[in-house]
Amino acid sequence: QQQVKQSPQSLIVQKGGISIINCAYENTAFDYFPWYQQFPGKGPALLIAIRPDVSEKKEGRFTISFNKSAKQFSLHIMDSQPGDSATYFCAASDPTTSGSRLTFGEGTQLTVNP
Amino acid sequence: DTEVTQTPKHLVMGMTNKKSLKCEQHMGHRAMYWYKQKAKKPPELMFVYSYEKLSINESVPSRFSPECPNSSLLNLHLHALQPEDSALYLCASRGQGMATEAFFGQGTRLTVV
Repeated sequence: QQQVKQSPQSLIVQKGGISIINCAYENTAFDYFPWYQQFPGKGPALLIAIRPDVSEKKEGRFTISFNKSAKQFSLHIMDSQPGDSATYFCAASDPTTSGSRLTFGEGTQLTVNP
Repeated sequence: DTEVTQTPKHLVMGMTNKKSLKCEQHMGHRAMYWYKQKAKKPPELMFVYSYEKLSINESVPSRFSPECPNSSLLNLHLHALQPEDSALYLCASRGQGMATEAFFGQGTRLTVV
């Protein structure tokens, strides 16, 4: 059962544009929602994260919007740059499991054209 | 310091070989994880160690054997692997408590020949 659904699968944006990636979840026990950025051959790097008591979090060009009632959250990348081209994974943490296991979305491959 | 260090970065092994992957963190995290990642797929959880004890085994074949010698180290022993086990193996660590960050290492690219 896929508990976190991510869309789109791939995204092409022009330099300077806004990239938007969406995730939806089902498990209301999730208490933490990170986004990871992964470059080819590298491990996922924590980009930004949000807790469900907050509706929005901004760090530089990256913003998470969180809608608890709709069980959805999204990543917005403002002023997208070619260096942002990577795969992005949303995730959700279940505190009722040992180690508060993370459940990942399927990933979005972002390409930012110069 | 939010670094999780994995060695080696690359590993090629035959199907009869025995090898080990190593992971180290010095953040005081008491939860450590092994993930397997295939190309264009999300990380797939294999094992969870909590306070140095194995707490989750996601029905991983016995040819993968995890070990947690102490709170900073995590090993994954490999034996008699199959070519389909070729993947990026990722280690992660996380602090205990509510909604804490999880940090990943750079991974070991494993090729089984």
